[in-house]
Amino acid sequence: QSALTQPRSVSGSPGQSVTISCTGTSSDVGAYNYVSWYQQYPGKAPKLIIYDVSKRPSGVPDRFSGSKSGNTASLTISGLQAEDEADYYCCSYAGSYTLRFGGGTKLTVL
Amino acid sequence: QVQLVQSGAVVQKPGASVKVSCKASGYTLTSYDITWVRQATGQGLEWMGWMNPNTGNTGYAQKFQGRVTMTRDTSISTAYMELSSLTSDDTAVYYCARGRWVVAAGVGPTFCDYWGQGTLVTVSS
Repeated sequence: QSALTQPRSVSGSPGQSVTISCTGTSSDVGAYNYVSWYQQYPGKAPKLIIYDVSKRPSGVPDRFSGSKSGNTASLTISGLQAEDEADYYCCSYAGSYTLRFGGGTKLTVL
Repeated sequence: QVQLVQSGAVVQKPGASVKVSCKASGYTLTSYDITWVRQATGQGLEWMGWMNPNTGNTGYAQKFQGRVTMTRDTSISTAYMELSSLTSDDTAVYYCARGRWVVAAGVGPTFCDYWGQGTLVTVSS
């Protein structure tokens, strides 16, 4: 039951777009359209920003978008802003009523 | 508004148990599951399991089987997570979150929409 694989860090300049990948297996990401993404600031609780691969909760800017291809899900943040600097975690349903998180990605806004 | 308020930080000795509470407000506790996630300092999120507050049914990550117990008291809209046989590796912030299921398909939890503020559990002699 290994964690989903995410890059340790990504960076981008204000106004640019960045994409964070989340690679799983045919038993989790590849098997279900139940990938979610969370944003976490230091010392704070995670916040849901994407669910069911590409749906955004109310109040989340449309700069945040999600997609999936095969065993890899992706989070894209367009029009990067300083306030987007945070840690991002992917999560996937993994069958048998279990969830699996990714290792997390630190986004730096240059 | 939906809120999950957790109990305060605690220090426990190795071998002891800890019980963290999570009080729900702004919705009916029995309408959604409660999922527990922990995070060691500087580390990622780790899913521990879920509980259906309506039925009391639970599902635990294999890693915690036999060591974790999730319960609830619906009269006070509160869920609990108890972890036993603590070691220093259990030092972490523990979060409760409201878990969402795809009820029609009997699948879940699939994501967590509201989170508690976290409870720091320190295991130290």
